[in-house]
Amino acid sequence: DAGVTQSPTHLIKTRGQQVTLRCSPKSGHDTVSWYQQALGQGPQFIFQYYEEEERQRGNFPDRFSGHQFPNYSSELNVNALLLGDSALYLCASSPRLAGWSGELFFGEGSRLTVL
Amino acid sequence: AQRVTQPEKLLSVFKGAPVELKCNYSYSGSPELFWYVQYSRQRLQLLLRHISRESIKGFTADLNKGETSFHLKKPFAQEEDSAMYYCALRSSQGAQKLVFGQGTRLTINP
Repeated sequence: DAGVTQSPTHLIKTRGQQVTLRCSPKSGHDTVSWYQQALGQGPQFIFQYYEEEERQRGNFPDRFSGHQFPNYSSELNVNALLLGDSALYLCASSPRLAGWSGELFFGEGSRLTVL
Repeated sequence: AQRVTQPEKLLSVFKGAPVELKCNYSYSGSPELFWYVQYSRQRLQLLLRHISRESIKGFTADLNKGETSFHLKKPFAQEEDSAMYYCALRSSQGAQKLVFGQGTRLTINP
C-alpha cells in the first residue's frame, strides 16, 4: 500500500491563474481532508469530502473548491491565485468510523508557489 | 474559538536530557488532543492521543484541563527524536477535523 499519494509534488503558478491538486487516499479509506500549511505554520483545515460531498469546511474563501470521485480520490482547485496561496497543500485520508481514533494519514504534499 | 498554541518554535536539548514540548489549547467542551510528528523526509504522522494514555517511543502526554495543557514529555531524549512536533485538537465531537498548533522543531544534540 503506497499510502496517500499526491500530485504534483511541486508547481509554480502566477497570480490570477488556477490550479488543481490531486490526491489518492490510503487503501480502505473513504474520507479525504485537505490542509494548507504555510511556511512556519501548522496545517490549517480547508475542507473534507466523504461520499463525494463536501462535509466540513474551514475558513477559506470560495476560490477554494474540491471534488471527490467514486473511487474516493479527490481534487483541490484554487481559482484566481494570490501570492498568499503559496503553501504546502496536504491531503489526509481516514476511514469513516463512528469511533474515529483521531489518526489522519497524510500525503507528502503539493508545494505551490505563486509568483 | 478553538485554538492550539505551541509557544516554542525551536527546542534544543542534549541526548539523555529530559524533553518537554509545550502545548496549550482553547476549547469549550471536552477536548480530544493529539501529538503528530514529522521526521526528516517523512510524512506527518500520529504520535499519540490523550485518550489512549499510551507511551509511544518513550513519549507521554497528560491532559491537564485546569491548565488547558497537553505537554509532551520524554525523560531521556535520543537523537532519533529530532523532528517537528505538532499538537492538535479535534475540533468538535463527531468531526474528523483537527486544529493544529504551529509546531515545535526539536533538535537533540549528541
